Amino acid sequence: EPEVTQTPSHQVTQMGQEVILRCVPISNHLYFYWYRQILGQKVEFLVSFYNNEISEKSEIFDDQFSVERPDGSNFTLKIRSTKLEDSAMYFCASSLAGGRSSYNEQFFGPGTRLTVL
Amino acid sequence: AQSVTQLDSHVSVSEGTPVLLRCNYSSSYSPSLFWYVQHPNKGLQLLLKYTSAATLVKGINGFEAEFKKSETSFHLTKPSAHMSDAAEYFCVAPSGGYNKLIFGAGTRLAVHP
Repeated sequence: EPEVTQTPSHQVTQMGQEVILRCVPISNHLYFYWYRQILGQKVEFLVSFYNNEISEKSEIFDDQFSVERPDGSNFTLKIRSTKLEDSAMYFCASSLAGGRSSYNEQFFGPGTRLTVL
Repeated sequence: AQSVTQLDSHVSVSEGTPVLLRCNYSSSYSPSLFWYVQHPNKGLQLLLKYTSAATLVKGINGFEAEFKKSETSFHLTKPSAHMSDAAEYFCVAPSGGYNKLIFGAGTRLAVHP
């Protein structure tokens, strides 16, 4: 069964460093998403991406964040200068379709735990 | 705007007994609603979804949920818990444009022998 994969499973970085979190969505999916969950808090939407551009982003997704689909298989989230409060579990998701389509189910990866020291 | 509230952060049941995980929603229009499950070190998996076709929705692994508009609830149930059901469960609603999902706080289900 196809699945979304994420690497690394755990990333430790120093405050101020850049990190890139990698995701491989399901191969025929067209919509991509990043969510995060700070320890003890809700899963929060960060950004959605379709047709090589951002469809929607939350207020969390400021200029320190960027997303990219550098090739036909990867979808990345970059944090330019990490802060302590960026420590969280980051989930990637993908869906075949968007909007109210019957095929809009979002399939999630296992997450990358980012620890900023 | 849609929001979901999960009423219990932790639920503990014995194997073979019924499971009830509670979720209330608020929406200014008829919502779609989902339940996702997360097993340790696994991604979030869709259990079931309500899209206004039928108020009683059956999902995977014997779970079902009933949409009750009068109570603004979408509680998740299972008649008989199995050890493998131990996981975190999230009640989720899509945003109005369906571009993002809005998560409840999650309920951790423990199943003991």
